[in-house]
Amino acid sequence: EVQLLESGGGLVQPGGSLRLSCAGSGFTFSNYAMSWVRQAPGKGLEWVSAISFRGDSTYYADSVKGRFTISRDNSRSTLSLQMNSLRAEDTAVYYCAVNWNCDYWGQGTLVTVSS
Amino acid sequence: DVVMTQSPLSLPVTLGQPASISCKSSQSLVYSDGNTYLNWFQQRPGQSPRRLIYKVSNRDSGVPDRFSGSGSGTDFTLKISRVEAEDVGVYYCMQGTHLYTFGQGTKLEIK
Repeated sequence: EVQLLESGGGLVQPGGSLRLSCAGSGFTFSNYAMSWVRQAPGKGLEWVSAISFRGDSTYYADSVKGRFTISRDNSRSTLSLQMNSLRAEDTAVYYCAVNWNCDYWGQGTLVTVSS
Repeated sequence: DVVMTQSPLSLPVTLGQPASISCKSSQSLVYSDGNTYLNWFQQRPGQSPRRLIYKVSNRDSGVPDRFSGSGSGTDFTLKISRVEAEDVGVYYCMQGTHLYTFGQGTKLEIK
């Protein structure tokens, strides 16, 4: 059974940084691209970023480009999202998902950006 | 950027009746490899999203056959042949041809 467990969310001040992690199990992590998708409170889904299975290709939404960095450690089956220069509008539940087209999703981790 | 427009945004349906959701893209979703990367997701209240349909019309494992997807180019449809109580939630289309974009979501409720 595919399992994705996000962690690292919390309360951070505007301008601050946070690093999210996603631990994958139940599938061969190193064979799949991975994605991050977020959902602001009461709002719809927004694609954030994706990374190839080797980690050599990365993609970002315009709203986070230059501030967020996606990475992966295939030896630990872990996906990461480094978030810098956080803004109030980055407040959301962040989900990691398997593959480019989000075959499977985790439970999400809440990031709140507020002073 | 590709814009995905869903309609309706709210869909009250009687149990056992069919339901249909439209998703239109601002550009053709046919990729250079010949595939059309249009997905449908279901998000039940309080749950994570779950993919139902990939590449327009392919059902994911475990998805009931009352769900079907169709369409081509820029116009796509998700149909539920007979709505059940467990189908309540928000449905999103997502294109994966020009990076990735979600539609606004359609909230399905029981009338």
